Amino acid sequence: NAGVTQTPKFRVLKTGQSMTLLCAQDMNHEYMYWYRQDPGMGLRLIHYSVGEGTTAKGEVPDGYNVSRLKKQNFLLGLESAAPSQTSVYFCASNQGGQGHQPQHFGDGTRLSIL
Amino acid sequence: AQSVTQPDIHITVSEGASLELRCNYSYGATPYLFWYVQSPGQGLQLLLKYFSGDTLVQGIKGFEAEFKRSQSSFNLRKPSVHWSDAAEYFCAVGTGTASKLTFGTGTRLQVTL
Repeated sequence: NAGVTQTPKFRVLKTGQSMTLLCAQDMNHEYMYWYRQDPGMGLRLIHYSVGEGTTAKGEVPDGYNVSRLKKQNFLLGLESAAPSQTSVYFCASNQGGQGHQPQHFGDGTRLSIL
Repeated sequence: AQSVTQPDIHITVSEGASLELRCNYSYGATPYLFWYVQSPGQGLQLLLKYFSGDTLVQGIKGFEAEFKRSQSSFNLRKPSVHWSDAAEYFCAVGTGTASKLTFGTGTRLQVTL
């Protein structure tokens, strides 16, 4: 049982380049989330989705776009990468419906923008 | 808006000693509260959660946490720490809206032998 899988695990980009991070979950979860983790700041929510075809902004959405064309996948895009987007990105999923259900996390993508 | 404070950035304990990690939250309604652990280079793993009922909750790896509404706290405890417990620990508060989580800034635990 893979759970939440993120690809790639590592990536180095140059300023201005674009890329897409892929998150896939095999638990048939309704809700999916993208976070970024920076030293001393915990995890901050970028965007989230409460179902196939839906997306919504989180706490720090600027510079990112997302899509959820299939229930099991949640894509995070950087249109024009900036050094401030150097971070560790985590995807999570949740079965939805009730707030006490925990989120399940992938192992992260470490992204460096030069 | 909800918020979570973990006042201790870094804690060092000896193996076999007891542990308490502090967490204070701010939320207008009854909170959903979680503790997660993150080992280096890994994602977050759920240790335990509270959403109603008994205010002392048991989790995996011998951890427990106590919800104290009067103090807006949800402190994590373990009676005897093992070297493998060295990791970063995050407290989070959840809302009913899309089950979103707000995380604290984390506490890094170092265990000395």
